[in-house]
Amino acid sequence: GAVVSQHPSWVICKSGTSVKIECRSLDFQATTMFWYRQFPKQSLMLMATSNEGSKATYEQGVEKDKFLINHASLTLSTLTVTSAHPEDSSFYICSVTRMYEQYFGPGTRLTVT
Amino acid sequence: GQSLEQPSEVTAVEGAIVQINCTYQTSGFYGLSWYQQHDGGAPTFLSYNALDGLEETGRFSSFLSRSDSYGYLLLQELQMKDSASYFCAVNSGGYQKVTFGTGTKLQVIP
Repeated sequence: GAVVSQHPSWVICKSGTSVKIECRSLDFQATTMFWYRQFPKQSLMLMATSNEGSKATYEQGVEKDKFLINHASLTLSTLTVTSAHPEDSSFYICSVTRMYEQYFGPGTRLTVT
Repeated sequence: GQSLEQPSEVTAVEGAIVQINCTYQTSGFYGLSWYQQHDGGAPTFLSYNALDGLEETGRFSSFLSRSDSYGYLLLQELQMKDSASYFCAVNSGGYQKVTFGTGTKLQVIP
């Protein structure tokens, strides 16, 4: 398998501020990582594919200038929610893939007040 | 685009068998995966079907019919700890990209 960590596990921020979420692959070098968002009682929605050393690929409808992704190394990808608003409050989860299996981090619960 | 449909909720009795269905419409299909997610937790991988037929892993089995764009997850000898949300997911983009279904919340009752 693969072990993935995320930091922080939860964060509360004020509207208009930016929040950075880190995703680390602890035992596997990941050229690709994925970022998902999940609202309460809903499914996981893929936001973007993070590519090591190149620009992220965003899904349709996801604002790339609002959700900044940096994949600076084979073990670290970061998601920055810029100018956060209450509607950005959600559960953000990253994952890495080995073959067809996705291994997820524990998630970050973001609350914007 | 991709779309996957599942029943929203299922209730079953401890010790029984339950089947969770998934129908999908997709392009670039590589296979169908199933994930389990407990409340507040992250999804965990259960199974993957690339070819038609049944795959068995312990108490869990998964079935795929590519011609019908249909699959199901079968849970046997249900236990209380199986109460969770179950998601089918389509693998595309060379396995790696995964699109999740709407999710089925399973409640196991005594």
